[in-house]
Amino acid sequence: DAGVTQSPTHLIKTRGQQVTLRCSPKSGHDTVSWYQQALGQGPQFIFQYYEEEERQRGNFPDRFSGHQFPNYSSELNVNALLLGDSALYLCASSLTRHTTDTQYFGPGTRLTVL
Amino acid sequence: AQSVTQLGSHVSVSEGALVLLRCNYSSSVPPYLFWYVQYPNQGLQLLLKYTTGATLVKGINGFEAEFKKSETSFHLTKPSAHMSDAAEYFCAVTGGGYNKLIFGAGTRLAVHP
Repeated sequence: DAGVTQSPTHLIKTRGQQVTLRCSPKSGHDTVSWYQQALGQGPQFIFQYYEEEERQRGNFPDRFSGHQFPNYSSELNVNALLLGDSALYLCASSLTRHTTDTQYFGPGTRLTVL
Repeated sequence: AQSVTQLGSHVSVSEGALVLLRCNYSSSVPPYLFWYVQYPNQGLQLLLKYTTGATLVKGINGFEAEFKKSETSFHLTKPSAHMSDAAEYFCAVTGGGYNKLIFGAGTRLAVHP
């Protein structure tokens, strides 16, 4: 059973560009969450998708947007990239959105903005 | 609102020594608490979690944690450190109906011979 997968592994962009990151959840999971982990910090919640809709959002600007597809996979889009967007972007999936449901993390996408 | 504080950004122990990583939380609703481990250039792996019931929780790789409501703590311990335990450890909290994780800043554990 494949776990959570993310693509690409690494990405280099320049300021002002746009980027799309992709995530496939663990089999049977319908809820996908995205986190940003800056160097030396803990992950910060960006948003969560369930039934193809954004259900919760953290303290991130509208430049960060997402999408969930009918097969539960998800994309994270970031527009007008800033140097401060350089980070490891983690996708996590869970069976449901319930508080106690474990989130399983993918290996992440390392984004570098020059 | 919820928050997590991990005391000590770096902890160093000898192989075979006790590992103690500290986590304190703040939550206005009953908290659910998690410890995750992150090895270099990898994602996060769940070590253990507390939801309800027994306050002493056992996890993978010999780790355990105890939920102490009166102290708002959820410290992670392992009786005997192994070289392979060297990694970054994150404490996290959820609550209030959805499983959005609020993470602490992490503690980097170094294990030396």
